[in-house]
Amino acid sequence: GEDVEQSLFLSVREGDSSVINCTYTDSSSTYLYWYKQEPGAGLQLLTYIFSNMDMKQDQRLTVLLNKKDKHLSLRIADTQTGDSAIYFCADSSDSSYKLIFGSGTRLLVRP
Amino acid sequence: GAVVSQHPSWVICKSGTSVKIECRSLDFQATTMFWYRQFPKQSLMLMATSNEGSKATYEQGVEKDKFLINHASLTLSTLTVTSAHPEDSSFYICSAQEEGMSTDTQYFGPGTRLTVL
Repeated sequence: GEDVEQSLFLSVREGDSSVINCTYTDSSSTYLYWYKQEPGAGLQLLTYIFSNMDMKQDQRLTVLLNKKDKHLSLRIADTQTGDSAIYFCADSSDSSYKLIFGSGTRLLVRP
Repeated sequence: GAVVSQHPSWVICKSGTSVKIECRSLDFQATTMFWYRQFPKQSLMLMATSNEGSKATYEQGVEKDKFLINHASLTLSTLTVTSAHPEDSSFYICSAQEEGMSTDTQYFGPGTRLTVL
């Protein structure tokens, strides 16, 4: 079946850039998403990218998509302590309305 | 825009009782809503897909008689955990897709933490 994988943990210093990586297996992906989850809360949609795009920038967030390698990344510029959270990438298939989530990457921002 | 609420935000119940969780899309109409459960430090597990006016589609391994889903209107879906047991304790999150949108974007509720004693 379809699978989405992420590294489990990332620690960065405040002010540095963070890069969270994700790989997926579904060849028919239409949209790929990044969500943020703070402790005890639901998921907040950060951004998404259409599968025919290579890059999308939204303020401090930059999404890069390498469709050939099925690799997605989220770069957070000037990372702040408030960015500490779990980040999930998710893949939507053309054949289904479902989202397939990665395991989540816990981002810790050190002062 | 695209706000989804859940009620209650947390609930504690005795084993054997039933608990109902509501999921509402506040400022849009949602033909499709999803119910997930999340165990500590784990990802979201899709339980079922709920379409307005029709029966929910359950994922493999999810007992439909135990987790009753009703999607009676374009803004409300409910999940009832029947005869709850301690192993049902979890964080339940719903999401909703806006009707007529070209993307599959799901907007998530804040979650409901269920503790079964």
